[in-house]
Amino acid sequence: QVHLVESGGGVVQPGRSLRLSCAASGFTFSGYAMNWVRQAPGKGLEWVAVISYDGSNRYYADSVKGRFTISREDSKDTLYLQMNSLSPEDTAVYFCVRNQRKWELEDAFEIWGQGTMVTVSS
Amino acid sequence: DIQMTQSPSSLSASVGDRVTITCRASQSINNYLNWYQQKPGKAPNLLVYAASLLHSGVPPRFSGSGSGTDFTLTIAGLRPEDFATYYCHQSHSTPGTFGPGTKVDIK
Repeated sequence: QVHLVESGGGVVQPGRSLRLSCAASGFTFSGYAMNWVRQAPGKGLEWVAVISYDGSNRYYADSVKGRFTISREDSKDTLYLQMNSLSPEDTAVYFCVRNQRKWELEDAFEIWGQGTMVTVSS
Repeated sequence: DIQMTQSPSSLSASVGDRVTITCRASQSINNYLNWYQQKPGKAPNLLVYAASLLHSGVPPRFSGSGSGTDFTLTIAGLRPEDFATYYCHQSHSTPGTFGPGTKVDIK
């Protein structure tokens, strides 16, 4: 069974940092590009970042560029999102998402985690 | 960045109705268009990829069509479990942008 389980969300003050983790199971993690997608309360979906299957390419939404860093640790089948200089606009559910096809960087989003809530508030 | 629009933003329909949702890209994306269904409090689920291919396990009452800039998702014979929000998403180029969503609720 293919699973993605996010953790690390919570309430954080503006300007502080938080690191999200996503534990993968049931598939060859090292063969897939991975994404973070977020959804602010009552709003639509926003792609945040992608990392290629081998970690050599990383891309970010303009809204998080320079503040967020996506990384992966294939030995642990885990994806990360380091979030710095958080602002209230970053408040959202953050989903870990696997691409549909192996090796492809740009692809349909086939597997989604259940999401972890990040609330930025003083 | 490629901008995605959807219409309508919401619609009310009855069980058994045929429903069509439209998605438009700001430039040609060939057939790199995907559709997702999301229910409240849940993660989205992939319904259609490459504009017209049904994801595994998706009922055949769902269908997708289109290419270039204009796409549609059709639900032929709405069922109670289909009341949800639907998003289109382009995977032609990074950033992979989503449409704003179409909420389908019960008339």
